[in-house]
This record gives sequence, structure tokens and C-alpha cells, in this order.
Amino acid sequence: GAGVSQSPSNKVTEKGKDVELRCDPISGHTALYWYRQRLGQGLEFLIYFQGNSAPDKSGLPSDRFSAERTGESVSTLTIQRTQQEDSAVYLCASRVGGNYGYTFGSGTRLTVV
Amino acid sequence: AQRVTQPEKLLSVFKGAPVELKCNYSYSGSPELFWYVQYSRQRLQLLLRHISRESIKGFTADLNKGETSFHLKKPFAQEEDSAMYYCALLSGSARQLTFGSGTQLTVLP
Repeated sequence: GAGVSQSPSNKVTEKGKDVELRCDPISGHTALYWYRQRLGQGLEFLIYFQGNSAPDKSGLPSDRFSAERTGESVSTLTIQRTQQEDSAVYLCASRVGGNYGYTFGSGTRLTVV
Repeated sequence: AQRVTQPEKLLSVFKGAPVELKCNYSYSGSPELFWYVQYSRQRLQLLLRHISRESIKGFTADLNKGETSFHLKKPFAQEEDSAMYYCALLSGSARQLTFGSGTQLTVLP
């Protein structure tokens, strides 16, 4: 597609439920990143995918968080047993390998009630 | 570990006045720094990067390694400059960006 697409744009879920967030990167972009942005704070790095290499999961805050990406296609970020502190905007970005220009999606606003 | 600090959460200036958004960084390697901007109801987008030494929309930013700073400046602010501005540092084998907490700039008429 022309840009990075994220869905849903908004998600309200009950505490304890699982949620799945989707990111569709720009075609041909080998690198994909997930970030989290809590209210009033900067963006926190969560996870990085580069082609078929093992992902860099160093930013995932707990084992309730996981993400998958098959090849250079769609990625899903799953949060299990959601907690109120998981409420945030989750941003996805992709870039062409070797080029440091990120293109961001519009984000998914997650609210855990 | 790398760190980016933006000391001002909010900044207001009048139209036509100069504006400077502060950014300081901490990094043991050679820094690659960026400014990103997010206008109301739009997605985050790249404004400028230090390596290009460019001026975008009248904004410039100079890397000062001695002061570990990368402040964003514009001599004459415009109302359309009102937005959230993030300073970011690129590092690591993952080429990940570390962001500051952002500064909300409001340009008053």
C-alpha cells in the first residue's frame, strides 16, 4: 500500500482480555518496528523485525506481549490478559533495509477498562 | 544506554517570534539525530535529520557534540507550526529510534 496501515484505529477492551493489533507495512519495507506511546510520554521501543531474521524483542515489557511477522508482510502485536497500564497508542513503523527513514502508521489507541 | 531528553513539555510563542525546542542526548557512540513532528490528527512524520544539515519548513537543528544537544530552531514561528515535536536518536544494530518525551508547541496569533 501507499503507507503503513494499522488496525483497528481504536480498541476498548476489558481488563484481562486478550487483544490483537495489526500492522500492514509498506510493500518492500524489510524492517518493521512496534512502539508504545503512553499519555504524556515519549515513544517506547517494543520489538523489531528485519526480514526473516530473529526479531529483537528487547523492548517488550512483559511476557504478556508478543508479536509475529511472516517474512516482509503483516505483523500482529498480541497483548494477553490486558491490564490498565497497557492503555496507550501502539505505533508501527516500517523502513527499507539500510535506509534509516521510518514511515509511521497512524497507530492503534488501546484503552483497557 | 542511550537517552533523549526534551525538558519542555509545553512551549508557547507568538506568531513571528523565534522558537527553540530543546533536545539533549546521552549516547556513547557517534549520534544520528532526528526531529519528528506530529500535527493534530496526523501521523508522526520526519521533519529533519542532522546528517542532512537541511532546513525544512524554516526549521534547522545543529548537532553540538560538546553540549550533547540538538536543539530545533526557527526564526519566525507560524501558526501552522503548532504541533508535537519529538527528538530522536538512532542507535544499535536494530537501527532503532529512541525518542524524547516530546514538546507541544503552540504558536499564538
